Amino acid sequence: GAVVSQHPSWVICKSGTSVKIECRSLDFQATTMFWYRQFPKQSLMLMATSNEGSKATYEQGVEKDKFLINHASLTLSTLTVTSAHPEDSSFYICSAHSLAGGNIQYFGAGTRLSVL
Amino acid sequence: QKEVEQDPGPLSVPEGAIVSLNCTYSNSAFQYFMWYRQYSRKGPELLMYTYSSGNKEDGRFTAQVDKSSKYISLFIRDSQPSDSATYLCAMSGATNKLIFGTGTLLAVQP
Repeated sequence: GAVVSQHPSWVICKSGTSVKIECRSLDFQATTMFWYRQFPKQSLMLMATSNEGSKATYEQGVEKDKFLINHASLTLSTLTVTSAHPEDSSFYICSAHSLAGGNIQYFGAGTRLSVL
Repeated sequence: QKEVEQDPGPLSVPEGAIVSLNCTYSNSAFQYFMWYRQYSRKGPELLMYTYSSGNKEDGRFTAQVDKSSKYISLFIRDSQPSDSATYLCAMSGATNKLIFGTGTLLAVQP
């Protein structure tokens, strides 16, 4: 199957700092990538849809100035959590949409963010 | 009513048992149906993908889609302790956004 790499897998930061998470599709091109947030024992919550070369589309209730998304190439999207606070602590997961073989999303391994 | 309903479990079975996981949905526009497996603190891993109605088999896993009943299933034969994970159904229609079930936590006891 297609491989999506997400980095870092775990990050601890101080309140007020910014954290960047990278999502790369390693063996396919992804015009669309997605960013999710997952709370313990809950399903994935879509935060935003990232399209290569254009602005991301955010879901209702997600602050676009808080969660900056950049999709500069067909294989890389980044999520920057700006001025992080403890309530931003969560598990963030990216996925990449593959055009080959139907409407399939392949997921990264996730990033655990802990804000102190 | 949620667009996708999934029994959250938890489901506990002995090793070797047949496991049946199910989801129902309300949106008749859904055409793409997927099952993902998620281990604790990891990203979801695609297990099965089905387009429209029908059955699909891959090793110990069988996915079934019944669009007339708006019902999808995943069967796991000869379940192993390594199958212990959360199983998420997901589906989409014309857009490429996935709608997820809440996930079913499965524990296979050795």
